[in-house]
Amino acid sequence: AQKITQTQPGMFVQEKEAVTLDCTYDTSDPSYGLFWYKQPSSGEMIFLIYQGSYDQQNATEGRYSLNFQKARKSANLVISASQLGDSAMYFCAMREALYGGSQGNLIFGKGTKLSVKP
Amino acid sequence: DVKVTQSSRYLVKRTGEKVFLECVQDMDHENMFWYRQDPGLGLRLIYFSYDVKMKEKGDIPEGYSVSREKKERFSLILESASTNQTSMYLCASSAPRKAVGEDEQFFGPGTRLTVL
Repeated sequence: AQKITQTQPGMFVQEKEAVTLDCTYDTSDPSYGLFWYKQPSSGEMIFLIYQGSYDQQNATEGRYSLNFQKARKSANLVISASQLGDSAMYFCAMREALYGGSQGNLIFGKGTKLSVKP
Repeated sequence: DVKVTQSSRYLVKRTGEKVFLECVQDMDHENMFWYRQDPGLGLRLIYFSYDVKMKEKGDIPEGYSVSREKKERFSLILESASTNQTSMYLCASSAPRKAVGEDEQFFGPGTRLTVL
């Protein structure tokens, strides 16, 4: 079974509008972390935002926020006021405390390609 | 700023050749990782290392080996390249932190390898 599921292979959004990228995860580990990365066409993976399983509040970083619904095991990325430069692949990833060890192994989803239209 | 560099952005090799992909990080990170990325499959972990001379298999280690002789350098080796190893290879590093998930991984720019 997939540990990280991103059901949207591609999405379009109009410039200046908000967009939500879906991510659901599967773990029995009580302690875990969720990450979102952006990968522009240049190829480099850029860390965006992190949410810990015990965090009480949803994480926010500038225009990025994470809609964390623990009971539903979802960690959707919300990008507000989309910009043309947001066009990229977006990957959701999870690290489990017990099974991932202390080495920081991440499990990645298959990604969502976001295209921002002018 | 953390910097992770990879020796080549693009590489073309022939089937059967021995291929070395080099990764260097300048932040004294203990952990280093090699992933391959294929369309529709996301990133898959090949090998990782949490200390010098230490290595652990990831999800898809077959056909690959690694070397970590120095803390800052982690090499991925394709002993005999095959066409199904044509892919984007990404290196990453991280420093272990006390709280789970705070050890974000920093990625290099990737090496696009084509095996003919």
